[in-house]
Amino acid sequence: NAGVTQTPKFQVLKTGQSMTLQCAQDMNHNSMYWYRQDPGMGLRLIYYSASEGTTDKGEVPNGYNVSRLNKREFSLRLESAAPSQTSVYFCASSEGARGRQPQHFGDGTRLSIL
Amino acid sequence: AQTVTQSQPEMSVQEAETVTLSCTYDTSESDYYLFWYKQPPSRQMILVIRQEAYKQQNATENRFSVNFQKAAKSFSLKISDSQLGDAAMYFCAYMGYNNNDMRFGAGTRLTVKP
Repeated sequence: NAGVTQTPKFQVLKTGQSMTLQCAQDMNHNSMYWYRQDPGMGLRLIYYSASEGTTDKGEVPNGYNVSRLNKREFSLRLESAAPSQTSVYFCASSEGARGRQPQHFGDGTRLSIL
Repeated sequence: AQTVTQSQPEMSVQEAETVTLSCTYDTSESDYYLFWYKQPPSRQMILVIRQEAYKQQNATENRFSVNFQKAAKSFSLKISDSQLGDAAMYFCAYMGYNNNDMRFGAGTRLTVKP
């Protein structure tokens, strides 16, 4: 009963380093999402994938790239990490795109960039 | 762009009492979805309740209910018979009918006093 699994749970990087956050879901969902949560704020959408083979930008895509590797997996990459990207990152999935089906979230990855 | 405002950074309630969390949003769309998510200290995002804007009837889920006022663009959450396990951050969220970009408010921290 894993649901949405994110790895790693914690990571510390130095400015300029690269990093890929992994996300996998076992619910056979079509849509997947990456969010970031900064202190005192709600989640903001970075990128999403409405279905396998497609990706689209969300509210805050700058500095990130994504890959929908297959139906199960959706990765988020920071090519050159910056302190402003220090945040908690959440992956989510839903059966379909848009609001008709609820999104299921992973437990988050806490990323600190020094 | 759609915005979601939660004007109460913190709220507290006595165990077994009722509490209402406020949320307002700004949109020019006529069809959309509204959500309340709970985030306990474990950090996991848990869907509490969902409302479709074209439905006039307020959504309910056990002890949780909403007061959806479409004209006023207001979407409050009422928690009845509050329990210690209800203590968490609560986020209000908006999603347009034809997009995948869910917008969150800044959250309300709910404390439940025994």
